[in-house]
Order: sequence, then structure tokens, then C-alpha cells
Amino acid sequence: SSELTQDPAVSVALGQTVRITCQGDSLRSLYATWYQQKPGQAPVLVFYGENNRPSGIPDRFSGSISGNTASLTITGAQAEDEADYYCNSRDRTGDRRIFGGGTRLTVL
Amino acid sequence: QVHLQESGPGLVKPSQTLSLTCTVSGDSISSGGFYWSWIRQQPGKGLEWIGYIYKSGSAYYDPALKSRVSISIDTSKNQFSLKLTSVTAADTAVYYCARDDGDYGCEYWGQGALVTVSP
Repeated sequence: SSELTQDPAVSVALGQTVRITCQGDSLRSLYATWYQQKPGQAPVLVFYGENNRPSGIPDRFSGSISGNTASLTITGAQAEDEADYYCNSRDRTGDRRIFGGGTRLTVL
Repeated sequence: QVHLQESGPGLVKPSQTLSLTCTVSGDSISSGGFYWSWIRQQPGKGLEWIGYIYKSGSAYYDPALKSRVSISIDTSKNQFSLKLTSVTAADTAVYYCARDDGDYGCEYWGQGALVTVSP
């Protein structure tokens, strides 16, 4: 079973704000990394660290962390944001990476 | 621009060994502080980290797969490889290779290679 827990599905109305969360003990001391994956495509890194977006990722994607919960917020969700989102971090030993189970985002 | 490309058989028989190679271009495996990773995704399921290897050859694996998996690196060819032994239908998945920066994760991924385990 995954050591990072995500809600299986979330929906948001077009143009509204949505928060996707990820819970895990390792997040008390480590940042989460967030990936977006669309059907048939490889994952895309959308947010990492304290406040970092790779080049080309819109600034409507932001991240935060509080206690053992990391969040990815999409402010003003667009139709193209409909995808699966995975959080990722390290386990408590630091030797391996772990993924959350993924959240399917539907933009209504 | 960094580019990764998986290659290998798309069909493997049960109990045999799955072998995949990732060829890297636009970056040198032997330079930089990156970890070269394998991640898989079973049909309709989430992402599963398999393991990664550093340029020194030090490798780390997911405990659930550790007894069956081996990742190696060939700096002369700028490639790294995955071997998974004693495969079953549960190992049917899209296998991705990726470059992990060690701190935050993978910015560069291959397109993925579907490997089916079937008689």
C-alpha cells in the first residue's frame, strides 16, 4: 500500500480553484513533488520543492505543505488541466521514492 | 534538451526476465548529480517507483521488487538498464525511464514502453 494518500477523484468547475491533497508521514520533513499525467502520455513534472515550477508550467499551479499534508492548487482551472495528478516524495529512510495513488481531476 | 528513450522486447513469457534499456541524449550519465530511474504503471493503475542508479553504480530499489530487480549503468553508451526476473502477468505495465535530480524528482521522462507478460 502507498505511504502517500491521495483522494481518488476530484472535480472542479471551469475557471474555479481546486486543491489536490497528499498525506504522508514523510511530508513532515520532506517536500512533495507533483506530476500531471494525461491519458497515453508520460507524467509531467508540474511543481516541486518549496515553490518551484518547471519552465513552461502555468503559474496557476502552486504548491504548499502543512504538517503531513502537501497540496497542489490550481487557480482558475482550465479544460486542459483535466488529468491524473500524482504526488511523490521519499520514504522515511530517504533511500526510495514513493508515489501517492493518484487523483483524477475532472474539469466540469 | 534531455531526451530518454526506452527499448526492449514488448512481450515476455511468464517466469522469464524482462530487460529494458534507456538511452539518454542531451546529457551525460557520467556527469552531474542525477539518479537514473525506472518507474512503471500497470494498466489502469498508478505510478510505481522501481528504483534508480547513480553514476557511481550505486542502486536503490523498492523493497517490494528488490529480490527480482537489477538496474545497471553503461556510461560508455550513455545508457542504463532494467532487469526484472521471474515475471508474472502482474508485471505487465508501461515502463518509464526518467532522470531524477535526487532532491525533488523527475523532470525528464521517456515516452514509456509497454511490456506484456504472456505465454
